[in-house]
Amino acid sequence: GESVGLHLPTLSVQEGDNSIINCAYSNSASDYFIWYKQESGKGPQFIIDIRSNMDKRQGQRVTVLLNKTVKHLSLQIAATQPGDSAVYFCAEKPPNFGNEKLTFGTGTRLTIIP
Amino acid sequence: DGGITQSPKYLFRKEGQNVTLSCEQNLNHDAMYWYRQDPGQGLRLIYYSQIVNDFQKGDIAEGYSVSREKKESFPLTVTSAQKNPTAFYLCASSRGTGGFEQYFGPGTRLTVT
Repeated sequence: GESVGLHLPTLSVQEGDNSIINCAYSNSASDYFIWYKQESGKGPQFIIDIRSNMDKRQGQRVTVLLNKTVKHLSLQIAATQPGDSAVYFCAEKPPNFGNEKLTFGTGTRLTIIP
Repeated sequence: DGGITQSPKYLFRKEGQNVTLSCEQNLNHDAMYWYRQDPGQGLRLIYYSQIVNDFQKGDIAEGYSVSREKKESFPLTVTSAQKNPTAFYLCASSRGTGGFEQYFGPGTRLTVT
């Protein structure tokens, strides 16, 4: 079956620096992508999403980039803070499912170094 | 305050017992989902429901059962047939048609010994 994977399982970044978390997806027909943040022992929280008709979308301190040519998704976090330490998941939605099922990647653990 | 609640946060059971995990939402969402998360892994879909009185199996439904008698509630029963039930269980909901973002509850950590 189709799956979403991540290039790096762990990432350490100095506080104040920018971080980039990458995600490779395998279904070229997926039409919606979403990033979640999960803190230890809690449920995932929505960060930002992007539809396949866009290449870039910006939020507060976060930017998602979508490269459909190489089926790659990235999450950029600017000026990282200690509270950004968490596991980050990407998820994709294949089209024409008739429902809103998402396929989740395994996650990247981001650690912010003070 | 709108959101999804799961109870209890921690649950302990003896092997061979069925256990039911609660999930309630007041977001007026049509669709609800149950996921299982094991340490260091992503989320795997157990069951989902797009509408009241209807639900479908996800990728790992064996040993689990659900019901959707009310829009707000989607309880999950972990039966004794589930071979490895110890895990972190997450419930989510979404608006339904056209609304893809899933909102998650805080999770229930189930330990079976």
